[in-house]
Formats: sequence, structure tokens, C-alpha cells
Amino acid sequence: GAGVSQSPRYKVTKRGQDVALRCDPISGHVSLYWYRQALGQGPEFLTYFNYEAQQDKSGLPNDRFSAERPEGSISTLTIQRTEQRDSAMYRCASSPSGREAETQYFGPGTRLLVL
Amino acid sequence: AQSVTQLDSQVPVFEEAPVELRCNYSSSVSVYLFWYVQYPNQGLQLLLKYLSGSTLVKGINGFEAEFNKSQTSFHLRKPSVHISDTAEYFCAVRAIGSARQLTFGSGTQLTVLP
Repeated sequence: GAGVSQSPRYKVTKRGQDVALRCDPISGHVSLYWYRQALGQGPEFLTYFNYEAQQDKSGLPNDRFSAERPEGSISTLTIQRTEQRDSAMYRCASSPSGREAETQYFGPGTRLLVL
Repeated sequence: AQSVTQLDSQVPVFEEAPVELRCNYSSSVSVYLFWYVQYPNQGLQLLLKYLSGSTLVKGINGFEAEFNKSQTSFHLRKPSVHISDTAEYFCAVRAIGSARQLTFGSGTQLTVLP
């Protein structure tokens, strides 16, 4: 079946612009996670949802970052007034309920470059 | 809070040789452990995971890892590597309990040489 998809795959923007990154999880997956990965580093947690409820946003670096999942499926990560330090790979993952709930399935990521 | 250390940022190895990628973690609570692989221009793919039970875990593509609680380690091994194993490998932990997020190490680039 289809895996986690993310769009766009690449995004180049100018400093100060807002960007919206989309994640379409595996169908039926309850939980959805956002991570950010800097070059040469492992992914770092940003936020996660169970269904439409945002359960933990402790990893969001500041109030320019926000996320939503209004219908419990597709999620959007929005970065307002982008800065050069926001340049990174943004990864989305989803996980099912039940016995496989501990396994997170990752999408291909969106590479964001802020000029 | 948890932390993960992957001491080797790059590991070159010849084809058909054995390999071990090291992972150590720190946590004040019990954890689940994972290894993910990232091929170029692809997403992270789960190799294997330890949740409970036998400390020797077998995964895809002939990889295995052993959980050592006393040494807080979860090293990844393969007895004979192939060119196609060239990729970046990430160790990750998740606290058992309400926190759901993964904490990743900084990754190990495995390069298999002909």
C-alpha cells in the first residue's frame, strides 16, 4: 500500500516568507509526527498528533512554528516569517494503533532552503 | 530525557566483511530501541526494533542487534555486507510511557567498498 507522502519534496523560499509543508500519513494511522533534521544530524522531534489532537508540541522551536491535523489525517506544518536557520529536512512519520503502535513509518521528507 | 550516541560518524568496510555499528543511550526510564536506515534520496526505513523479550533482535537485510541493558548499548551487526548496504544508519530510542517521540543519534554513514 501507499506509504507516507510529503509535499513539496523541495522548497526554496526567501527569508521572511511563510511556508506550509504537507504530510499525508498511511491510511488508518492514528498518530502523526513531525521531525526536523539538520545536515549531518539525526531527526529531532517537533510535535505529534493522535487523531486530530496535538498531544505534544514541546519540540517546536518557537512560536513561528505551528502544526495542525484538523480531520485526523493530513497534517500541515507551517513556518511563519522564515529565517535562514530554518533550512533543514522536515520529516513526517505515522504509526498505527495496537501492537504496531511503537513503529513509526517515515515519509521522504521536505527539504527546505531559506535564502 | 533520553540521549543517543553513535560514536562512529563514518564506517568504511570492504564487501563481504562483517560490520558493527555502535549505539549507546542514556535514559532515566526504560526504553524501546530502534535502528533505521536512510538510503540516498529516500525516507527512513525501519531495520529492526527491540521492545521486550529476547535481547538479540533480527531485522531486514540480514542485520541484527543486541540489547545490553547493563552497558546501555544496542549495537547493529551484519556478518557479511554488500555494496547495497551503503547508507546512513540511525539508532533511536523511545521512552516507555506517555512520551511517544523518538530520540535519534547523529547517524553513521556505512560505505561498502568493492
